[in-house]
Amino acid sequence: SQTIHQWPATLVQPVGSPLSLECTVEGTSNPNLYWYRQAAGRGLQLLFYSVGIGQISSEVPQNLSASRPQDRQFILSSKKLLLSDSGFYLCACTFVRGTDTQYFGPGTRLTVL
Amino acid sequence: AQSVTQPDIHITVSEGASLELRCNYSYGATPYLFWYVQSPGQGLQLLLKYFSGDTLVQGIKGFEAEFKRSQSSFNLRKPSVHWSDAAEYFCAVGFLISSGSARQLTFGSGTQLTVLP
Repeated sequence: SQTIHQWPATLVQPVGSPLSLECTVEGTSNPNLYWYRQAAGRGLQLLFYSVGIGQISSEVPQNLSASRPQDRQFILSSKKLLLSDSGFYLCACTFVRGTDTQYFGPGTRLTVL
Repeated sequence: AQSVTQPDIHITVSEGASLELRCNYSYGATPYLFWYVQSPGQGLQLLLKYFSGDTLVQGIKGFEAEFKRSQSSFNLRKPSVHWSDAAEYFCAVGFLISSGSARQLTFGSGTQLTVLP
């Protein structure tokens, strides 16, 4: 079955600490993968997308980065977290290339203190 | 640039009443349109989508939406709301990223639905 996993579900980190959020998908190959952030009162914002292994495009300048080391794995990272990085991070996947329909994972709630 | 407007931040309806959530978009080409629902602390679940063809599309959970090109609208409707429909609803427009290899979603700011018993 087609499933999106995100880990961890919740995370509390101090300012200046590193970050690694993981997204893995099942039931597909060569998907398009996306990272979105949902901040309170600010809606959903696309951060990164990837159309293949090692191919990352950034939509907004920030202190976050993304990597795709494997076909079905998408990682969101930061070397030093800021307070403004707090939010709900959602991974999305287009299970069938060309269908243009994005499905979302369960999300990771990040709180930076 | 593409944009999506959901003019109602919060809507309250009684259980069993009909529902319409408004969505207006701005996009120069033929839009790909989506409605998603989000329960607190959860990811987004796809309700329905419109790419082409019949302008009235049916989705899951008894929802439907109608695409009206002349009004640049894609309103979501349900004839009889259930208490479990209480959630936040997002309208989105999909457009091709410049390379043409992927489609990006631009979301509206969401409409919070409260259902009264």
